[in-house]
Order: sequence, then structure tokens, then C-alpha cells
Amino acid sequence: EVQLVQSGAEVKKPNESLKISCRGSGYTFTTHWIAWVRQTPGKALEFMGVIYPGDSETRYSPSFQGQVTLSVDNSVTTAYLQWNSLKASDTALYYCARGVGATHFDFWGQGTLVTV
Amino acid sequence: VLTQSPSASASLGGSVKITCTLNTGNNAYVVAWHQQRPDQGPRFLMRFGHDGRHVKGDGVPNRFSGSSSGAERHLIISGLQDEDEGYYYCQTWGTGVPLFGGGTRVTVL
Repeated sequence: EVQLVQSGAEVKKPNESLKISCRGSGYTFTTHWIAWVRQTPGKALEFMGVIYPGDSETRYSPSFQGQVTLSVDNSVTTAYLQWNSLKASDTALYYCARGVGATHFDFWGQGTLVTV
Repeated sequence: VLTQSPSASASLGGSVKITCTLNTGNNAYVVAWHQQRPDQGPRFLMRFGHDGRHVKGDGVPNRFSGSSSGAERHLIISGLQDEDEGYYYCQTWGTGVPLFGGGTRVTVL
């Protein structure tokens, strides 16, 4: 069974750093993209960036380029989303999703709430 | 850019058709649909190509179907149930970077 399990809720202060995680299981981690998606209260889903664990190729939405960093650790089948300096406007729910064939997302994590 | 109408509604047991318009210059892109019920995370419903081929997510009921016409992709929900209330997002990746539509809120009357 494919599962994406995300790390728990975080409460941080502005300018602090943060790294949240998304652990994949039940499939070959290195052959599927992992995307990160932001959702602020009452708003639509926003694509942030996507990473291919097989070679760490990364693509960012222009809106998030330079604001966050994606990474993976294949030894623990985990993808990460990192901020170096949080802002109050980063308060949101963050979801990871598995990408298939660079066409669509077919499984989602449960979400991580970040409050700044 | 993916454009969705903001809302749609139908009676319990009725049908609703949600439209996503590709404004990307290429009508052949695959589009996926995702459901988000109130206070829940998104769930993949189906992937739909311009050739009519589609792949559904695990456990997605048969009352969810899709169709395509030019730059438009449609999600059709037949036999509408209370549990179908929520937001529906279309998504594509054809431009090299994934995109989401603005979402359509579905209300069961």
C-alpha cells in the first residue's frame, strides 16, 4: 500500500528555520516525483516545487524559487521541505504528493500545519 | 493557466459537470482531478487525457467520470451524494511545472 506520511505540526517564530518531512512507503521511492503543495486557510492548492529522488532533479514554481529548498534522503525514503528564514506569511498547511510520469499526482500525504 | 468555474451545485442524486479549461497553448495535456472534502486533505480522483483515456484512483466510485473537448476537461459526478460536497481541483504538468486550477466548490442541494 502506497503511503506518504508527513511530520507533525510545527509552531515557529519569524526568522527561524524549519525542515518538514514526507516519508514514502509501499513503492519504489526513487522512481516517482515528490511534490510539495501549499494551502493557506480558505484558499486553493498552490504548487511549490517537485523533486525526483532518482537524481534529485528539482523544479520550483517561480513563486517559491529561492524561498524554500527541496531535498531527499533515499536511505530513509524521505523528502524534505526547508525554510531558512520563516515569515508569518508562511503559515499554512503543506502537503506532499507523489508524482507519476510527470503528468499527475496520485497519492497525497496527510498534511503538515506550519504556524509562524 | 487552468481555469475553473468557482462553484457548481445539484440536488442529491443528481449530476454535476465541472469544467477545467487549459489556457496553456496545448490542448493535448493530461489533466488530473483531485477532491478535497471539508477539513480533509486532497485525494486523487482520476487522470484524463485528450484522447479519452483515463486512470482512476484507488476506490474512486463509478459515479465519477471524465470527458474532454478541445481545451476543456470535464469531471462529471452522477448520483450525487452528500459526501461529494467539497472542492475539486484540476491539475496538469504539461508545461514542465505542475499547475492547479483555482478549484470548484460543489454543493449538494
